[in-house]
Amino acid sequence: TQLLEQSPQFLSIQEGENLTVYCNSSSVFSSLQWYRQEPGEGPVLLVTVVTGGEVKKLKRLTFQFGDARKDSSLHITAAQPGDTGLYLCAGAPAGQGGKLIFGQGTELSVKP
Amino acid sequence: KAGVTQTPRYLIKTRGQQVTLSCSPISGHRSVSWYQQTPGQGLQFLFEYFSETQRNKGNFPGRFSGRQFSNSRSEMNVSTLELGDSALYLCASTLRTGSAGELFFGEGSRLTVL
Repeated sequence: TQLLEQSPQFLSIQEGENLTVYCNSSSVFSSLQWYRQEPGEGPVLLVTVVTGGEVKKLKRLTFQFGDARKDSSLHITAAQPGDTGLYLCAGAPAGQGGKLIFGQGTELSVKP
Repeated sequence: KAGVTQTPRYLIKTRGQQVTLSCSPISGHRSVSWYQQTPGQGLQFLFEYFSETQRNKGNFPGRFSGRQFSNSRSEMNVSTLELGDSALYLCASTLRTGSAGELFFGEGSRLTVL
């Protein structure tokens, strides 16, 4: 069974602080996606990383895919209250069509 | 462009009953996936449909079933409901199957089993 271990599960920080969320697995994924989910809504895709070692930046968010395509990280610089939400990593196992394996999620709270 | 529409948004059932949830994908999207989200287990893959065929299935008991119609709309059914089936059921659509492209999620159907 393929698993994605996401940490930390909960994170409460002050506005302006930096943070990193990690997503680790013993399995290789063909791609890895990061989603953000707000209460009462479905997850919304932030980024997809495909190549081992790939780094993508989305404003204050930096995403990295591990060289071996088994792990990923999300780094937020100067967090803002608007960043509050549930962050989910999701890996695509090779050869399994559109199936995604999701991490448990990181509940981020940014206080003003 | 309308998003993924799920109905009903909320429902309450009792143990032993059955439930049917509906999902209308984004126009033009032919692949529909279903996920169960609970606080303890997170999002877990239920099944994926493409062109009315189930392409992939997660590790759920046979009480969980689904289907897809020719217009790409999908339904999932849970029979003989158990307390542990209480969850947010999310439907997601994407343009094609075969690779994990961007999933567009609906707002979910929140099922409570009493």
